[in-house]
Amino acid sequence: GENVEQHPSTLSVQEGDSAVIKCTYSDSASNYFPWYKQELGKRPQLIIDIRSNVGEKKDQRIAVTLNKTAKHFSLHITETQPEDSAVYFCAASILTGGGNKLTFGTGTQLKVEL
Amino acid sequence: NAGVTQTPKFQVLKTGQSMTLQCAQDMNHEYMSWYRQDPGMGLRLIHYSVGAGITDQGEVPNGYNVSRSTTEDFPLRLLSAAPSQTSVYFCASSRTSGRAYEQYFGPGTRLTVT
Repeated sequence: GENVEQHPSTLSVQEGDSAVIKCTYSDSASNYFPWYKQELGKRPQLIIDIRSNVGEKKDQRIAVTLNKTAKHFSLHITETQPEDSAVYFCAASILTGGGNKLTFGTGTQLKVEL
Repeated sequence: NAGVTQTPKFQVLKTGQSMTLQCAQDMNHEYMSWYRQDPGMGLRLIHYSVGAGITDQGEVPNGYNVSRSTTEDFPLRLLSAAPSQTSVYFCASSRTSGRAYEQYFGPGTRLTVT
């Protein structure tokens, strides 16, 4: 089955700096890569996702890049703010008519310091 | 829309007891799934369903049963609770066709088995 590795497990940045979180996946058939943000005690919420036919996607301060050849994808957050502090999870799945089975990474605890 | 709802929010069980975690969604999503979240391990898929009457196992199915008699509901049954099943359980749902594949998560159930 799919295996997703995520690094780093913790990341501390100064407010206004950029943060980068990296993930690798094992199954070359995976074609959907979402990123979720989870605040303490809350449910995971989608912040951005990318399909395998796209190399990069941006939404305001958040961007995701995908390298299919190397089987890795990254989350980039620019101009970080204290409210960006949370745990971020990457995931991978093979989208089919049979559903959307996500395999998650182990998470990155991001702390944005004032 | 209420989105994805879960009950109860908290539950304490004794070893050997059984119980059912409830999950419902009002978005007419075909795909529903159950994850457990343990510290340092991300979210792991327990069981999933691609439609009423169709279920399948995920990564960690042992000790859990599911059924899907309607599109809206996807209960998770713990047959004989064990301390290793202490975790936070999330239900999620998504479409399986079209262009949007976001999985929407419920608020979670925090289960403690003593």
